[in-house]
Amino acid sequence: EAGVAQSPRYKIIEKRQSVAFWCNPISGHATLYWYQQILGQGPKLLIQFQNNGVVDDSQLPKDRFSAERLKGVDSTLKIQPAKLEDSAVYLCASSGQGYTEAFFGQGTRLTVV
Amino acid sequence: GNSVTQMEGPVTLSEEAFLTINCTYTATGYPSLFWYVQYPGEGLQLLLKATKADDKGSNKGFEATYRKETTSFHLEKGSVQVSDSAVYFCALSDTDKLIFGTGTRLQVFP
Repeated sequence: EAGVAQSPRYKIIEKRQSVAFWCNPISGHATLYWYQQILGQGPKLLIQFQNNGVVDDSQLPKDRFSAERLKGVDSTLKIQPAKLEDSAVYLCASSGQGYTEAFFGQGTRLTVV
Repeated sequence: GNSVTQMEGPVTLSEEAFLTINCTYTATGYPSLFWYVQYPGEGLQLLLKATKADDKGSNKGFEATYRKETTSFHLEKGSVQVSDSAVYFCALSDTDKLIFGTGTRLQVFP
């Protein structure tokens, strides 16, 4: 079974630029999550989708972050404009019906300079 | 709100030593508890889980018991290997989302 796919693996941008990350969840998984993991901290949930609807985006900085999940499969997370404090690993995860665990991708390491 | 507290690292051990990483939680209701492991350059992998009080999760020689009376889920392994060097995250799920601790780095030397 293929796992959660994310791209790119690494990205370096200058502050005030924009960036987008892509995630393809495990086939058939209805729930998709984006987490932000700042160095030395645990992952923090940014947004949760159920199919193509948003379940929880209470921790998403909506003035600069946006996310979508068209057709309830792939998802993109965008930052515009980026700030230095956005430097982190962005993790995508998915889970199936009757949640028992979340499966994580390898993450995208973003460095804002 | 719900939260997870882990012991700070790094934890440095010699090969074959006994490992304990402490984890306590605060939650309303009855969450499920998890340990995830993150090897260098990789994403999070589920190590083990427990869904109700007194359950013991185990995998790859690691164990943790869900203790409701002490709100704890400590990770243990009887004999660590160099390949166990990684960052370990304790987490709880309230409904269908995970709340993580800050992680504990384990370094095992030969």
